Amino acid sequence: EIFMTQSPATLSVSPGEGATLSCRASQSVRSNLAWYQQKPGQAPRLLIYGASTRATFIPARFSGSGSGTEFTLTISSLQSEDFAVYYCQQYYNWPPATFGQGTKVEIK
Amino acid sequence: EVQLLQSGGGLVQPGGSLRLSCAASGFTFSDYAMTWVRQAPGKGLEWVSTISSNSRNTNYADSVKGRFTISRDNSKNTLYLQMNSLRAEDTAVYYCAKGLGEISPYYFDYWAQGTLVTVSS
Repeated sequence: EIFMTQSPATLSVSPGEGATLSCRASQSVRSNLAWYQQKPGQAPRLLIYGASTRATFIPARFSGSGSGTEFTLTISSLQSEDFAVYYCQQYYNWPPATFGQGTKVEIK
Repeated sequence: EVQLLQSGGGLVQPGGSLRLSCAASGFTFSDYAMTWVRQAPGKGLEWVSTISSNSRNTNYADSVKGRFTISRDNSKNTLYLQMNSLRAEDTAVYYCAKGLGEISPYYFDYWAQGTLVTVSS
């Protein structure tokens, strides 16, 4: 089983600032990595797949990068609707599909 | 428009059973693997089970193996999760999610609204 570790657990950011979230895999997942956004009381929403491809209707301020074991989700200029919890998920070695524990992006 | 609409869930005593359903529309249901993912209160996402498009392949997390059964009815565009021998640690919001492949889900591009299952006496 591949384990996913996200950092930091919480990120405090002012609106308009950028944010960088990290995700590390316990072994290489190549580019088989997705990012999701989850707001309180809502289901997760797919943001990024293939480590760097934005899903349909996802704004360009969200970008993903990395391969192998190290991945980054960057939000270039945080809008009010971006404050949420973000999860990474590997799909290189399945089953199981494994998620990181999440990074909460909160208003500073 | 892709829609996943869940039903079922609620309060059940330890050792009890419950069945969740997920009705799909807006895509060719029989072409895709479907998955259940759960989220315990205040916790992260946990993959529970996946069923292939033709029901020939099923996979379960170790934590539910032998107690939960995933199934689907492609004629009704509906996914199911039969949960038996429920434990307190099964308390969570359960989501059904659409994957990209026929056997492996890869990642999940659409999610249902979720339904809360509470296991408590």
